[in-house]
Amino acid sequence: GQQVMQIPQYQHVQEGEDFTTYCNSSTTLSNIQWYKQRPGGHPVFLIQLVKSGEVKKQKRLTFQFGEAKKNSSLHITATQTTDVGTYFCAGPASNTGKLIFGQGTTLQVKP
Amino acid sequence: DTGVSQNPRHKITKRGQNVTFRCDPISEHNRLYWYRQTLGQGPEFLTYFQNEAQLEKSRLLSDRFSAERPKGSFSTLEIQRTEQGDSAMYLCASSLFSDLTDTQYFGPGTRLTVL
Repeated sequence: GQQVMQIPQYQHVQEGEDFTTYCNSSTTLSNIQWYKQRPGGHPVFLIQLVKSGEVKKQKRLTFQFGEAKKNSSLHITATQTTDVGTYFCAGPASNTGKLIFGQGTTLQVKP
Repeated sequence: DTGVSQNPRHKITKRGQNVTFRCDPISEHNRLYWYRQTLGQGPEFLTYFQNEAQLEKSRLLSDRFSAERPKGSFSTLEIQRTEQGDSAMYLCASSLFSDLTDTQYFGPGTRLTVL
């Protein structure tokens, strides 16, 4: 079945360092969505990418959607302790409304 | 509008008991989704509704699970004869579905512990 994989599973960085998480789908996606989940919290929507090769920025966060619409990345510049949490990518399953989530990348930031 | 709400936030039950969770979506959102999340994993799809119609159920959803959205607004998820393997966070999400977007907004979840 359709799968969405994320790497790395965990990342520990020093505050101020950059961070990147990568997402790969087994199938072409119509769009990809990114969520952040703080420890003990629930997934919070960050952004949706729709177009092939699309790049979107939110302050220190940069999101990319691959040309083939099968991969995506999230890059955080100069991490802060407030960036701590698990970042999930998710893509819609073909012809349905459900989202297939990656396993997430958990980011720890040392002050 | 305060977002998606779920009740209860926590539920502890004994194996074999029935439990019911409620989800109130964002007003006027036409789609409502149920997911299950275990520690260290991403949310797994269970089922979803468009208005009051249940459009899809995951193979993960055994016969002990049933969901309803009777008036196209709030939804309930019932688990009968709970098992320890049902322990998880149950997340509800809603969206205003269109051809262009189906951004899902999640509620705080109900954490179920089956003893």
